[in-house]
Amino acid sequence: QVQLVESGGGVVRPGRSLRLSCAASGFTFSSYGMHWVRQAPGKGLEWVAVIWYDGGFKYYGDSVKGRFTISRDNSMNTLYLQMNSLRAEDTAVYYCASGRGYNYGYSDYWGQGTLVTVSS
Amino acid sequence: EIVMTQSPATLSVSPGGRATLSCRASQSASTNLAWYQQKPGQAPRLLIYGASTRATGVPARFSGSGSGTEFTLTISSLQSEDFAVYYCHQYNNWPPTYTFGQGTKLEIK
Repeated sequence: QVQLVESGGGVVRPGRSLRLSCAASGFTFSSYGMHWVRQAPGKGLEWVAVIWYDGGFKYYGDSVKGRFTISRDNSMNTLYLQMNSLRAEDTAVYYCASGRGYNYGYSDYWGQGTLVTVSS
Repeated sequence: EIVMTQSPATLSVSPGGRATLSCRASQSASTNLAWYQQKPGQAPRLLIYGASTRATGVPARFSGSGSGTEFTLTISSLQSEDFAVYYCHQYNNWPPTYTFGQGTKLEIK
């Protein structure tokens, strides 16, 4: 069955870096766009970044542009999110999700999420 | 950026009743609109994409409609498992800057 398993979350000090990973299985990972979506504690969903199926295009939300980098390794069926210059407002559960349809816009597969806490 | 506004913020409906959730876009999203359901401690679940197409395994009591700037999710004959938070999500614009609504909490009346 389809699985997306995030890892790499934890507690980090402001200004530091963290890399999240998302291991995919049960579907043809290399055919899908992929997203990172986050959710601050008690808040709604916020789209973070998307990467095209082949890594050829990458787009970011305004709040993370210039600080976060999305990438993928199709040979390893793995999605990454490199997060630099972390701020307290980046504290959230980070979900990886598949991208399908127009602009790879909707997500039929989601991971369980990994919590990132930015705190001194 | 397309801003998505959901209403109401909270909706109280009795089991067996009908729920109508609204989502408005600040500019046209065409039919590139999805609805997600999220329960506490769980990841979102895709319900509707393309404004009106049910995702695999989604019961027929869930239906989506609308285009452009006005969208509706209707849940007929509410079951206990339907009480959750619902988000609309547009994926229309280019370059892609996907945006979610702030959510509607559907609670038991």
